[in-house]
Amino acid sequence: QLQLQESGSGLVRPSQTLSLTCAVSGDSISSSDFSWNWLRQPPGKGLEWIGHIDHLGTTFYTPSLKSRVTISVDRSKNQFSLNLASVTAADTAVYYCARVTENILRGVTFDFWGQGALVTVSS
Amino acid sequence: DIQMTQSPSSLSASIGDRVAVTCRASQVIGNSVAWYQHKPGKAPRLLLLATSRLESGVPSRFSGSGSGADYTLTISSLQPDDFATYYCQQYYAYPPTFGQGSKVEIK
Repeated sequence: QLQLQESGSGLVRPSQTLSLTCAVSGDSISSSDFSWNWLRQPPGKGLEWIGHIDHLGTTFYTPSLKSRVTISVDRSKNQFSLNLASVTAADTAVYYCARVTENILRGVTFDFWGQGALVTVSS
Repeated sequence: DIQMTQSPSSLSASIGDRVAVTCRASQVIGNSVAWYQHKPGKAPRLLLLATSRLESGVPSRFSGSGSGADYTLTISSLQPDDFATYYCQQYYAYPPTFGQGSKVEIK
């Protein structure tokens, strides 16, 4: 049974870097069948896709966050990570990791998610 | 980015009711729509993709329809487990974008 679990600091100071990790169990993060994604949901707002990393380590980010985001993978620990630099209060959100199955018939649909991690940006 | 406008933002319904949630995209999105169910504190769950294709394990009371820019999620007979927030998502173009959510509450 696939499980994704987010972890990281729940409180980040403004201008600092937000760091989260998603531990994957039940699948290999190195499989060519999947890409691994980060999304977020600010309080009272909708879901926003942040970016993904595939089995080759290729990354793709949403344009509005591209200058501040880095997604990386640690294959030895079967986990992937999100770094978001220069955060402000607008980055306060519940952050989710999620899997996309790489299949043209499925498109970019998120078939497994973590439960989410609340990150608050505040001094 | 493609904007997804979802309605209603919330609704109250009773067990057994037929419930529909709609999503309008800012452009034609070629049936590239998915729907998710989300309960507080839990992982979101993919219900349907490609407008009307049920994900494995999803009850048949959930269905999807639509074309062009307008799409609908229907629950044919609301069950206690269905009280949640529902989101549409387009994957016609990057970045994938979501509606604001429709919260289904108990009347």
